Amino acid sequence: DSGVTQTPKHLITATGQRVTLRCSPRSGDLSVYWYQQSLDQGLQFLIQYYNGEERAKGNILERFSAQQFPDLHSELNLSSLELGDSALYFCASSVVSGRVWNEQFFGPGTRLTVL
Amino acid sequence: TQLLEQSPQFLSIQEGENLTVYCNSSSVFSSLQWYRQEPGEGPVLLVTVVTGGEVKKLKRLTFQFGDARKDSSLHITAAQPGDTGLYLCAGVPIKAAGNKLTFGGGTRVLVKP
Repeated sequence: DSGVTQTPKHLITATGQRVTLRCSPRSGDLSVYWYQQSLDQGLQFLIQYYNGEERAKGNILERFSAQQFPDLHSELNLSSLELGDSALYFCASSVVSGRVWNEQFFGPGTRLTVL
Repeated sequence: TQLLEQSPQFLSIQEGENLTVYCNSSSVFSSLQWYRQEPGEGPVLLVTVVTGGEVKKLKRLTFQFGDARKDSSLHITAAQPGDTGLYLCAGVPIKAAGNKLTFGGGTRVLVKP
């Protein structure tokens, strides 16, 4: 158990809908990262937050957005869902941003299926 | 082309055999990490290598960071069925913003009893 929690574990929805994925980082970790993993794309970095502020952006679509709240939990919002958005979405956390060798700890993931 | 190239993509061996997984790049990384991922679960960090030429051992697993910090390898001695999984290398490029991890495509290892 990494200490990172994600809810829900599974999500099934229809095209065009909007969903919210939730992540709680390890106790004491200030940074949260979101990743998407699909069969043909591997693990893709989406976005990073540090202590409530966006720190780095990866291949995140405009239909997706995220935020980190004062209690450090984070939510990833996916809207106007398409079939191709079906994937595993992982959240990871680390202690401090900026220390380039810092280690990230991953949650169990949310499996999103768009029908 | 991925920033981190892993090879091979798939490896099937018998219990007791040795195996090596490679992670290569043309870019310099401040550190490289190795993760193992089971189906449907999140990646689990195995090790982080930071210094060029560094060798770290974790029981039967040996990790090496290239002198130029552009490549790394994972060697498993006397593999066991419990070593089965997806092995991912990941690194933070020297000039990356924040702590943005870049992942390799992964090596799927199957150890048959």
